[in-house]
Formats: sequence, structure tokens, C-alpha cells
Amino acid sequence: AQSVAQPEDQVNVAEGNPLTVKCTYSVSGNPYLFWYVQYPNRGLQFLLKYITGDNLVKGSYGFEAEFNKSQTSFHLKKPSALVSDSALYFCAVRDMNNNAGNMLTFGGGTRLMVKP
Amino acid sequence: GAGVSQSPSNKVTEKGKDVELRCDPISGHTALYWYRQSLGQGLEFLIYFQGNSAPDKSGLPSDRFSAERTGGSVSTLTIQRTQQEDSAVYLCASSLVGRSYGYTFGSGTRLTVV
Repeated sequence: AQSVAQPEDQVNVAEGNPLTVKCTYSVSGNPYLFWYVQYPNRGLQFLLKYITGDNLVKGSYGFEAEFNKSQTSFHLKKPSALVSDSALYFCAVRDMNNNAGNMLTFGGGTRLMVKP
Repeated sequence: GAGVSQSPSNKVTEKGKDVELRCDPISGHTALYWYRQSLGQGLEFLIYFQGNSAPDKSGLPSDRFSAERTGGSVSTLTIQRTQQEDSAVYLCASSLVGRSYGYTFGSGTRLTVV
């Protein structure tokens, strides 16, 4: 079975400071990992994904995430937060060996609040 | 189309009425998913269509909920005899089939049952 945990319901950070949104996963094989962002009254938008290769993945809006196999984590980071980054962030995983087909499993979401 | 299109964007209905929500996926995306999201919370999986295979209905919360996908393209989610607890945002997503592909989401339908 595949699962994802986002241990923080909310992360608060001051504008200009670095931000981290945490994600850990559990799969039986190797993972494909994704981050999505949801702005108010919108659907989810793709930010970045890890498939294979370099453990540091760069995505949209200056975000990046680091795949850490030993810690089974895929934390989302940004060096300098903007107020406009305030949104709901979802981590998702797919097990390469999963017989459940194409399904992604999503974490519960983390609300990021960036204060001016 | 260029993105996943959902209609209507907002729907207010009276308790007990039936509603139909529509999703038009990206052309060529053979996988289609429905999720429910309550007031900025997490995603609740409802149903998954992939090509001509039987849909995965394991997330449908009751027999009042049903969905179909005609011609492998447009999907309709139907809620019969709506209840106030059905009020939520219903999100549709589509994707290519393959382990490295993510989903593309529509903007959702906000359903309010009064």
C-alpha cells in the first residue's frame, strides 16, 4: 500500500524567510512523488515531481523539493517566501510497483500562511 | 481542450433534489478521477475511470452517488436526493496513463445544499 503524511496542518512564516512544508511517504517499491498547490477557490496546480535522477527537484514559482530515500521524505522548500505563496499544499505519491494502477495517494494538505 | 473543464462552477440546490456535475477532461487523457473537498480540507477520493476498464468506485460514500464516463471522454457525477452533508467542492482530474504522469485538475464545482 502507498501512503503519504503531511505532519503539519499549518505552517506560518514571515515574508522573505525560508519555508519548508514537510512530507513523508510509505511505499513498497520506489516512489514517484508530486507536490500540488491550491489557491483559494481554485483547483490544484502541479508544482513539481520526482521521478528519478537528481534528488533536488526544481519546480514552479521558485519552489524546490528534496527526495531523501533514507528518511522517506520529500519536503517542499523555498529560499524566500512571498505573501502570494499563501495557499494549501498537497504532497502525493505513486508506488512504481503498485498494482492499483494509475492512482496517486494524496496527503491531508498543509496550509501555508506567509505574513508580511 | 487546454485544461480540465468542470461545470457548473457553482450549484445551489434544495435538499432532496438530484444534481449532475460535469467534467470534460484534457483530450487524450484516458484516466479520470473525481474527488470531494470540504471547506479547504483534504481530498476525498470518489471514483476513478481508466480507459475501458471497470471504474474504481471504492470511494463513493453512498448509493446516492454515481458516475459515468461516456465515450471515454466526458464524465458526469450524479448525486441523488442531496443532503446538506453533500455540500463541498467536487474536483475532477485527468491524466495520461503511466507511472510518471501527474494529474491535471479542474477548478471544481462548489455544491451547496440548502
